[in-house]
Amino acid sequence: DVKVTQSSRYLVKRTGEKVFLECVQDMDHENMFWYRQDPGLGLRLIYFSYDVKMKEKGDIPEGYSVSREKKERFSLILESTSTNQTSMYLCASSLFLRVQETQYFGPGTRLLVL
Amino acid sequence: AQKITQTQPGMFVQEKEAVTLDCTYDTSDQSYGLFWYKQPSSGEMIFLIYQGSYDEQNATEGRYSLNFQKARKSANLVISASQLGDSAMYFCAMREGLASGNTPLVFGKGTRLSVIA
Repeated sequence: DVKVTQSSRYLVKRTGEKVFLECVQDMDHENMFWYRQDPGLGLRLIYFSYDVKMKEKGDIPEGYSVSREKKERFSLILESTSTNQTSMYLCASSLFLRVQETQYFGPGTRLLVL
Repeated sequence: AQKITQTQPGMFVQEKEAVTLDCTYDTSDQSYGLFWYKQPSSGEMIFLIYQGSYDEQNATEGRYSLNFQKARKSANLVISASQLGDSAMYFCAMREGLASGNTPLVFGKGTRLSVIA
């Protein structure tokens, strides 16, 4: 079974702090994704990566950056957190970007910024 | 414009009854895939069912079936014989095909289903 793990289930941070959210997948998937989920807005894509050291902006990249130094690991970085970044963050991976390819998700990180 | 529209923020269904969750989509690609995911209160996203744009038959997976109406651009999820464990958020998603260079999944806003005993 594909396993996608995220470094934390819950995080509480103060405004202005730097936050690293780490995601690791164990199935040698090429593609990895970061989404944020907010009530009434569904899942919105922040960034994705289709190869090591490659990244593409999603729909809402402002305030975020990413790092993919190894194939299995994709990190989301919040350089200086703000209260509007309080959200659920979901990492996902997929083998290819073919039309029929399922994305597998991690358990999510609930971030609260005070 | 929204690519995926789920018009039902919340729905209730009696246990053992069938329920339909609506999803409409917008794309100009001929090749695309439609997905449904379930998200229980624990937060993990569980893949339920997939329908390809060229598939002639509606997809089925156990109690889940997808009512695919291509001309109407709709891909409704039908859950038969609802169970209490079906209470969750349900998300419809789409991936567009070759014309767009293949893309990550785009999600709708979700429908919260509550199953009543």
